Amino acid sequence: AQSVTQLDSQVPVFEEAPVELRCNYSSSVSVYLFWYVQYPNQGLQLLLKYLSGSTLVESINGFEAEFNKSQTSFHLRKPSVHISDTAEYFCAVKGEGGSYIPTFGRGTSLIVHP
Amino acid sequence: NAGVMQNPRHLVRRRGQEARLRCSPMKGHSHVYWYRQLPEEGLKFMVYLQKENIIDESGMPKERFSAEFPKEGPSILRIQQVVRGDSAAYFCASSPGLSGDTIYFGEGSWLTVV
Repeated sequence: AQSVTQLDSQVPVFEEAPVELRCNYSSSVSVYLFWYVQYPNQGLQLLLKYLSGSTLVESINGFEAEFNKSQTSFHLRKPSVHISDTAEYFCAVKGEGGSYIPTFGRGTSLIVHP
Repeated sequence: NAGVMQNPRHLVRRRGQEARLRCSPMKGHSHVYWYRQLPEEGLKFMVYLQKENIIDESGMPKERFSAEFPKEGPSILRIQQVVRGDSAAYFCASSPGLSGDTIYFGEGSWLTVV
């Protein structure tokens, strides 16, 4: 069985401030990890993913996440947020070689204030 | 548009009616997932299908809900005798079917039961 915990349901920040959205997972096998972003009334879009190799992965719009196996975490960070980053962010885990079904966290609402 | 296509985007049904939600996966994808999103509850897995085969339906309610993915045509999520509690956003996702694959989401179908 696998599970994902997103510790913060809502994270308010001011524009240009740094932000970290936390994600912890549990799994009995090796994992693949994903962050998705959802804008209002839209579907989920892949932001970045970790499959193997470098533990630090980056997106094209300045987000990054680091896979930490010892702490079973995959926190999402951005050094300077924009108003347009306001959205719901979902962390997801898939077990390697096992279930093909991703398990999602409950989501973190990032609210960027001017 | 080569993405995952869902329709209708919005559907209103009276209690007791049937709702049918359709999903066409991305080109080249043979695996489809259905998730339900309720306010404050994140994404809940419902069912995972391959062409003509249900692989995992552990998240499907035992009654009134069914899903299929025929050899030809879109995947269908069918909800019979809808109740107010079925009001939610229903998301379809697809993948090529390997364990490390990213799953890609459609824009969702918003069901409102009045």
